[in-house]
Amino acid sequence: DGGITQSPKYLFRKEGQNVTLSCEQNLNHDAMYWYRQDPGQGLRLIYYSQIVNDFQKGDIAEGYSVSREKKESFPLTVTSAQKNPTAFYLCASSMAGGPGYSNQPQHFGDGTRLSIL
Amino acid sequence: QKEVEQNSGPLSVPEGAIASLNCTYSDRVSQSFFWYRQYSGKSPELIMSIYSNGDKEDGRFTAQLNKASQYVSLLIRDSQPSDSATYLCAVRVTTDSWGKLQFGAGTQVVVTP
Repeated sequence: DGGITQSPKYLFRKEGQNVTLSCEQNLNHDAMYWYRQDPGQGLRLIYYSQIVNDFQKGDIAEGYSVSREKKESFPLTVTSAQKNPTAFYLCASSMAGGPGYSNQPQHFGDGTRLSIL
Repeated sequence: QKEVEQNSGPLSVPEGAIASLNCTYSDRVSQSFFWYRQYSGKSPELIMSIYSNGDKEDGRFTAQLNKASQYVSLLIRDSQPSDSATYLCAVRVTTDSWGKLQFGAGTQVVVTP
């Protein structure tokens, strides 16, 4: 079945460590997104990518990095510069943007819950 | 001012009643609106989308859009305990044609038997 797979489901980070969250989709979507959700809060955009080898900072990109080497994959690295990484991380994808696709919704993976050891 | 605002709740609804959720947005020319349901500890799932003024019905769900007043609402008829969740309103900002969404913080709905 088509969908978005995030792994791992739970992740623990030690002080000073970088960790990478995986996101893979087989929906043939061009656009992919990373969000962070803190308890009782809405989703905040970290990074997004419209096409392979291109990505843009979202509203809270500091302390995070991404790559988009393949259409299907959009991994997120939480670096040691992110001092408060504990959150629920959600990856999403959608059909390509542009005026003809403005009505396309985003679909989400099951998320990765990151905590500090 | 937040770009997308929702009452945080919790909104307590008796089983079988109608739950009414509201969402207001600040970008006057926003064009696409989405409602997501998020169960505790789970990821959001799309339940409704609406693009034109008026009502759109899908099963027990009805989305209502009023662009002049800049609000979008979601009605859940015949509420069931399984409807207990947080409902997120999302608005596509038109400054970005590539599909960035602005999310509200969500309204928690609790359906009581």
